Amino acid sequence: GESVGLHLPTLSVQEGDNSIINCAYSNSASDYFIWYKQESGKGPQFIIDIRSNMDKRQGQRVTVLLNKTVKHLSLQIAATQPGDSAVYFCAEFSAGDNNNDMRFGAGTRLTVKP
Amino acid sequence: ETGVTQSPTHLIKTRGQQVTLRCSSQSGHNTVSWYQQALGQGPQFIFQYYREEENGRGNFPPRFSGLQFPNYSSELNVNALELDDSALYLCASRPTSGRPETQYFGPGTRLLVL
Repeated sequence: GESVGLHLPTLSVQEGDNSIINCAYSNSASDYFIWYKQESGKGPQFIIDIRSNMDKRQGQRVTVLLNKTVKHLSLQIAATQPGDSAVYFCAEFSAGDNNNDMRFGAGTRLTVKP
Repeated sequence: ETGVTQSPTHLIKTRGQQVTLRCSSQSGHNTVSWYQQALGQGPQFIFQYYREEENGRGNFPPRFSGLQFPNYSSELNVNALELDDSALYLCASRPTSGRPETQYFGPGTRLLVL
């Protein structure tokens, strides 16, 4: 079956450095790709999304890149802060999916060292 | 916070029992989705409710059922509990006009089946 997955389960960075979290997907019909942040004891929190007709989108300190050729998605966090420590999930959604199913990857745990 | 609450926060049941988990959404959020998140994995879509009707379902058996009420609350019911049902159960809500990717998640109910 089609799936969304991540390359690395853990990532450790120094405070102030940039972080890059990667994600591979297989459903070429996906319309939206989303990054969520999940802190301990909380539900996932929306960070940023990108439509399939875009290849880059920027937010506050975050940038999402979409490469449809190789079906790859990445989240870049600039000047990573201790508060960025969390598990990050990519997810994809197809507007034409009658099941209204949003599919999540397994997650990457980001640890920021002071 | 997201304005989405869930109860109880933790629950322990034994195999074969039945469980009801509850979610309270923000006023005006008439679309609610439920997810199962096993330890160390991403959330998996169970089903979605809109205006008190199920309008999408993931790959979960019929013993997972739901209800949605006019007061923006909803329930997830699981019958004949199995050990593999141990997980964090998340609900997420959004207004009809909201994009699916910007749904608001509750903190989840952690269910342990012994």
